[in-house]
Amino acid sequence: GQQLNQSPQSMFIQEGEDVSMNCTSSSIFNTWLWYKQDPGEGPVLLIALYKAGELTSNGRLTAQFGITRKDSFLNISASIPSDVGIYFCAGPNYGGSQGNLIFGKGTKLSVKP
Amino acid sequence: KAGVTQTPRYLIKTRGQQVTLSCSPISGHRSVSWYQQTPGQGLQFLFEYFSETQRNKGNFPGRFSGRQFSNSRSEMNVSTLELGDSALYLCASSPATSAGTNTQYFGPGTRLTVL
Repeated sequence: GQQLNQSPQSMFIQEGEDVSMNCTSSSIFNTWLWYKQDPGEGPVLLIALYKAGELTSNGRLTAQFGITRKDSFLNISASIPSDVGIYFCAGPNYGGSQGNLIFGKGTKLSVKP
Repeated sequence: KAGVTQTPRYLIKTRGQQVTLSCSPISGHRSVSWYQQTPGQGLQFLFEYFSETQRNKGNFPGRFSGRQFSNSRSEMNVSTLELGDSALYLCASSPATSAGTNTQYFGPGTRLTVL
């Protein structure tokens, strides 16, 4: 079945540094979603991408929908302590209906002040 | 607009009991999906409801069930609880429009602990 491979699994960075993470799929997606989850809370939608090649920003966050439609990237510029959390990529599971997303295992971000 | 709300936020049950979790979607959203999140398996899809009909179901046993009401509010039920059902249960709603159909917004989750 479909799988999402997210890397890196974890990152330890200094405040002010830029961060890059990516997600690859075994099959083509028509939507890529990036979420951030804080401990004990639900994932919060950061950026949604709907078109191959699309580049979308949300403040210091920028995400891109890969041209092959099998990958996506999330960049965070000038990281701050509140960026700490787990970042997930997600896409629609074509084996199911529209309401079925599959998720990567997440990238855990730690920021040292 | 108010976000997705889930009640209760925390729940402790014992093996063999049953539990019902509730979800109120964002106003105007007609699709509600449920996910189970555990450290080992990550986020896994349980089922999705649209206009009171279950449209899709994940690979979970029949002990997991759900329903949706005419106001789009949804409940999920787990019967005969097992220790392995301890998890964060997340509800997500979607506007289910042609553009951005898959864009889902999550609630804070219900943390279920089975003793």
